[in-house]
Amino acid sequence: SAVISQKPSRDICQRGTSLTIQCQVDSQVTMMFWYRQQPGQSLTLIATANQGSEATYESGFVIDKFPISRPNLTFSTLTVSNMSPEDSSIYLCSVELGSANYGYTFGSGTRLTVV
Amino acid sequence: ILNVEQSPQSLHVQEGDSTNFTCSFPSSNFYALHWYRWETAKSPEALFVMTLNGDEKKKGRISATLNTKEGYSYLYIKGSQPEDSATYLCASDTGFQKLVFGTGTRLLVSP
Repeated sequence: SAVISQKPSRDICQRGTSLTIQCQVDSQVTMMFWYRQQPGQSLTLIATANQGSEATYESGFVIDKFPISRPNLTFSTLTVSNMSPEDSSIYLCSVELGSANYGYTFGSGTRLTVV
Repeated sequence: ILNVEQSPQSLHVQEGDSTNFTCSFPSSNFYALHWYRWETAKSPEALFVMTLNGDEKKKGRISATLNTKEGYSYLYIKGSQPEDSATYLCASDTGFQKLVFGTGTRLLVSP
């Protein structure tokens, strides 16, 4: 199964700034998924990132706010742009464990606080 | 829009107690139901992926059942241990690689 290294693990940022979160996978994967968990809420899919094409965003999420890069089959970044306190959340990346019937593996998360 | 509900929201049990939680999900467009365990400061860990009505899966002291017709799944922990303390998440999968998660059940097991 894949192992994901995600960084940073946590950060405290000023409003109006941007933070880029990185995920490195130890094997090549076609699709990477980015999730957010706001306080007291469920894990929610932000977007799906394929190598060589633009990410596909879920309803309520836009590229200008959450630009994603996927330069190769083992790496992806998510940027949280022009942050406000409402962006304070845990952000997670994820890939499939072989196939969807085995579930997904996740990074250890980035805990973001915007002040 | 899918709506996945989990109950209870939190649970505090003593070591050795057995416990169970519920996940309810829309039964239409069902493909799979996932269970994850998420310990603080760690990655969510896949426990089970269940696809068939009547499915029952087991991993050590943890087991899960699935009823796709009525749209619910139960997760059971037999003889809870302090290391079982975590948030247990379920997620509905419609087969398009998009998981819809519940808000989780936070379990605390006291020695």
